[in-house]
Amino acid sequence: EVQLVESGGGLVQPGRSLRLSCTASGFTSGDAAMTWVRQAPGKGLEWVGLIRTKAFGATTEYAASVKGRFTISRDDSNSIAYLQMNGLKTEDTAVYYCSRGRRVSGGWYLDYWGQGTLVTVSS
Amino acid sequence: DIVMTQSPDSLTVSLGERATINCKSSQSVLFSSNNKNFLGWYQQKPGQPPKLLIYWASTRESGVPDRFSGSGSGTDFTLTISSLQAEDVAVYYCHQYYNTPYTFGQGTKLEIK
Repeated sequence: EVQLVESGGGLVQPGRSLRLSCTASGFTSGDAAMTWVRQAPGKGLEWVGLIRTKAFGATTEYAASVKGRFTISRDDSNSIAYLQMNGLKTEDTAVYYCSRGRRVSGGWYLDYWGQGTLVTVSS
Repeated sequence: DIVMTQSPDSLTVSLGERATINCKSSQSVLFSSNNKNFLGWYQQKPGQPPKLLIYWASTRESGVPDRFSGSGSGTDFTLTISSLQAEDVAVYYCHQYYNTPYTFGQGTKLEIK
């Protein structure tokens, strides 16, 4: 059974850093693009970024709203993806979801999602 | 960036009736080399993560009831629920994975009349 479990969320002051983890099981995480999506309270889904597989250079892409502040990395030996968040702003307050990007026919679509972890940025 | 616009923002439908949600992308998400639309639909119930319903615009994910169907190509897409059930109350999102940054529609809230 495919499972994704996020951890590392919590309350953090503006300007500080936080690192989220996404632990995968039930599949070979190295075969998937690991993606982060967030959802501010009462709002819609916002794509944060992804890291492709090593076969695709483990390259990363980010939304403009987080580029330069957030970094996604992966440790396939332990089936974990990370979201390093620096310079946090109050508008980064959201539930952060990890999702598996499955590559089929040239595209990465998101098929499995974790339950999410809440990040609250407040003084 | 590709902007995804859904309509309507909210929808009220009677049990057993058809529900239709539209999604328009600001540019085509059809990949010409394989003729696939890089468009998915998700269902999100309160307190839960999104659940994949449809990918490639019209391919139903395994385990999704056949009352859910997707259609459209290029820039215009539709999610149809043929006979609304009580458990279908949720927010529905379209999502393009054609170009990064990947983007979502703003969501359509579906309720029972």
